[in-house]
Amino acid sequence: AQSVTQPDIHITVSEGASLELRCNYSYGATPYLFWYVQSPGQGLQLLLKYFSGDTLVQGIKGFEAEFKRSQSSFNLRKPSVHWSDAAEYFCAVGPRSGTYKYIFGTGTRLKVLA
Amino acid sequence: NAGVTQTPKFQVLKTGQSMTLQCAQDMNHEYMSWYRQDPGMGLRLIHYSVGAGITDQGEVPNGYNVSRSTTEDFPLRLLSAAPSQTSVYFCASRARGSNTEAFFGQGTRLTVV
Repeated sequence: AQSVTQPDIHITVSEGASLELRCNYSYGATPYLFWYVQSPGQGLQLLLKYFSGDTLVQGIKGFEAEFKRSQSSFNLRKPSVHWSDAAEYFCAVGPRSGTYKYIFGTGTRLKVLA
Repeated sequence: NAGVTQTPKFQVLKTGQSMTLQCAQDMNHEYMSWYRQDPGMGLRLIHYSVGAGITDQGEVPNGYNVSRSTTEDFPLRLLSAAPSQTSVYFCASRARGSNTEAFFGQGTRLTVV
């Protein structure tokens, strides 16, 4: 079955520390991969996406993610977290062809300590 | 450029009442969808549309109806609200193609009592 797993429900880091949010997927073929961020009371905003090519992709707000085909993973990283990064982060996958349906992970809520 | 606009932002319904959640986009996107967000469950697809006049069911369609008479609008109807439909609802749109970014509305927080 197709699925996206974000094993960490909550993560707390200190401001200035590095961050890695994990995402693993189960899919028939390599899908398109996305990370979205949701600030409190807001909709989702795209951070970055992977379609093909370089497996290390850069996004907005200083985030990057690395696609590892052998591990079916697409982990999100940031070298130095800012207090404004506190939000919920969702990993999502989408098909390269066929149906329109995206699959979202259950999200990781990030808390940043001052 | 407004993007994806959802109304209302908040709504309280009594069990058995009906209502329509509105969603409009001004980006001429062909694909539109509705998700519900529940704690610990991420976003689950309710219904989606790949163009005017074309709709299909997602993962959790029961209790919801949709129609797509124009490219811009994709309303979600609750025919007889139930407490299990208490959730935050998001509408999203994107351009045709598999590798396009989804744009989300701000959400509608619905409580059914």
